[in-house]
Amino acid sequence: AQTVTQSQPEMSVQEAETVTLSCTYDTSESDYYLFWYKQPPSRQMILVIRQEAYKQQNATENRFSVNFQKAAKSFSLKISDSQLGDAAMYFCAYRGNAGGTSYGKLTFGQGTILTVHP
Amino acid sequence: EPEVTQTPSHQVTQMGQEVILRCVPISNHLYFYWYRQILGQKVEFLVSFYNNEISEKSEIFDDQFSVERPDGSNFTLKIRSTKLEDSAMYFCASASRVKYGYTFGSGTRLTVV
Repeated sequence: AQTVTQSQPEMSVQEAETVTLSCTYDTSESDYYLFWYKQPPSRQMILVIRQEAYKQQNATENRFSVNFQKAAKSFSLKISDSQLGDAAMYFCAYRGNAGGTSYGKLTFGQGTILTVHP
Repeated sequence: EPEVTQTPSHQVTQMGQEVILRCVPISNHLYFYWYRQILGQKVEFLVSFYNNEISEKSEIFDDQFSVERPDGSNFTLKIRSTKLEDSAMYFCASASRVKYGYTFGSGTRLTVV
């Protein structure tokens, strides 16, 4: 079974600074997808960024980028120029791409609470 | 931007009662999911649904749980006899294709008293 581990229960960053959230995963599959979701106090789950395992290039979405190390099974999220609105719980998630109609459940990590200081 | 809509946003029920949580997925999506999040804990998969049947379910999804897509637009999660430990945030999600990821609803907070 796949597992996702976020070893940082809490992180903090000064506004305008850069912060990196860590995520490691364990899988025997070769083809899969990785995601970062943001959960603000409203508890809505918002997709931040996704990475396809067969792509070597790291995904980037504006101020958010990932460092995907497939051999090390590591998938960290870097937030540049942090803003107060970035404060939230961040979840790393894994989804296999084994095909078929099961479509692959998401397996989540435990989450990292990010605090942004003005 | 299309949304997944969940109702109600908050439901309080007595232990032993049946509850139905409702979701309206994005209209052209084909794959539907329920997840739950006990307060302060990680998000857990409950069930996935495709082509009018369950395609995968977790060990949490026991006989007390059922899902239905009664009219081609709604997607419901029923808990037959609620327990205190069913208190959680329940998220519905839908997807069109694997590579596009999921869209989550804003969740229903279920409180069992």
